Amino acid sequence: DVKVTQSSRYLVKRTGEKVFLECVQDMDHENMFWYRQDPGLGLRLIYFSYDVKMKEKGDIPEGYSVSREKKERFSLILESASTNQTSMYLCASDPDGSSGNTIYFGEGSWLTVV
Amino acid sequence: RKEVEQDPGPFNVPEGATVAFNCTYSNSASQSFFWYRQDCRKEPKLLMSVYSSGNEDGRFTAQLNRASQYISLLIRDSKLSDSATYLCVVNGYNAGNMLTFGGGTRLMVKP
Repeated sequence: DVKVTQSSRYLVKRTGEKVFLECVQDMDHENMFWYRQDPGLGLRLIYFSYDVKMKEKGDIPEGYSVSREKKERFSLILESASTNQTSMYLCASDPDGSSGNTIYFGEGSWLTVV
Repeated sequence: RKEVEQDPGPFNVPEGATVAFNCTYSNSASQSFFWYRQDCRKEPKLLMSVYSSGNEDGRFTAQLNRASQYISLLIRDSKLSDSATYLCVVNGYNAGNMLTFGGGTRLMVKP
């Protein structure tokens, strides 16, 4: 069974703090993704990675960075958290790019910035 | 205009009812289409792919109308356990051919 694990489920951070969201997958997938989900807006792609040390911007990369030092781990970094980054963050992995029927999501990380 | 648009609902229906959701997409070059289900405070999970000829999976029927650029999901004989948010997902929009998600339609099935 594919497992995508987001280690932090619920976080409360202060404005200006640096925040790390960690994601690990155990199926040796090449592709990993970070999305954020806000009410009524659906999932929006922040960054994705097709390989170790490789990253590509998604639709809303501003205010975020990522790190992929190992194939199984994809980290999302908020360099200086702001209140408009309060959201639910979803990590995903996929062996086939972004095909829609082979993508697996983690359970989500709920971040509140105060 | 949103790239993938859905009526947010909520749709409140009694058990046993038939309910239909529509989703419109703006890019006529889109290639692949899906319906995902998302339970409250959980991750999205694939419900079904949507094929050009339409497809059925038990009580669920998905249809694609390329000419009008919309996708539909029909749920027959609704169960309490069908209560969830249903996300319309389209492949083929942005850089890298990524998935684009609609905002979701919330369904509440009442006893």
